[in-house]
Amino acid sequence: SQELEQSPQSLIVQEGKNLTINCTSSKTLYGLYWYKQKYGEGLIFLMMLQKGGEEKSHEKITAKLDEKKQQSSLHITASQPSHAGIYLCGADRDQTGANNLFFGTGTRLTVIP
Amino acid sequence: NAGVTQTPKFQVLKTGQSMTLQCAQDMNHEYMSWYRQDPGMGLRLIHYSVGAGITDQGEVPNGYNVSRSTTEDFPLRLLSAAPSQTSVYFCASRLAVSYNEQFFGPGTRLTVL
Repeated sequence: SQELEQSPQSLIVQEGKNLTINCTSSKTLYGLYWYKQKYGEGLIFLMMLQKGGEEKSHEKITAKLDEKKQQSSLHITASQPSHAGIYLCGADRDQTGANNLFFGTGTRLTVIP
Repeated sequence: NAGVTQTPKFQVLKTGQSMTLQCAQDMNHEYMSWYRQDPGMGLRLIHYSVGAGITDQGEVPNGYNVSRSTTEDFPLRLLSAAPSQTSVYFCASRLAVSYNEQFFGPGTRLTVL
């Protein structure tokens, strides 16, 4: 079965620093979704990537899907305390892209002011 | 739109008790899913539904029942609670079209003593 591995599991950075979170799959990713979860709350959708080489940005967060569609990275520029939380990557189970998602184990980000 | 709503937000049960976690969405989404989130294990799929009257098992279905009598509601029943079911439960919904966002509820934090 396909699994998503996220690295690192946790990350502590000083405010203003850049950081990258990785999400790696053993098989081709059909749709890759990044979510953010604040402690004790639900999941907030950040971005969805579908095509190999695709890159999307929103404010200071950039997500990329590699050409082989087996790895995605999430990059935060000039981190702020508001970026703190758990980042989860999720993926479509099949090519239809219209089923439920399966998820990685998450990366816990702490930003020190 | 209220999006995906869940009740209760917190619940404490004794071993052997039963209860129902409520989930509702007002976006006319066909797909609805229940996940549980445990430390270090990410989100795991319990049950899902592709439409009213249709349900299926996910990765960790044992000890849980679901039904889908309407498009809007997708309750999760714990038949006889066990300490291993202590977790945070998330309900999610999605349109049955390719590559679109899966929306999540705020979660229910369940403790079984």
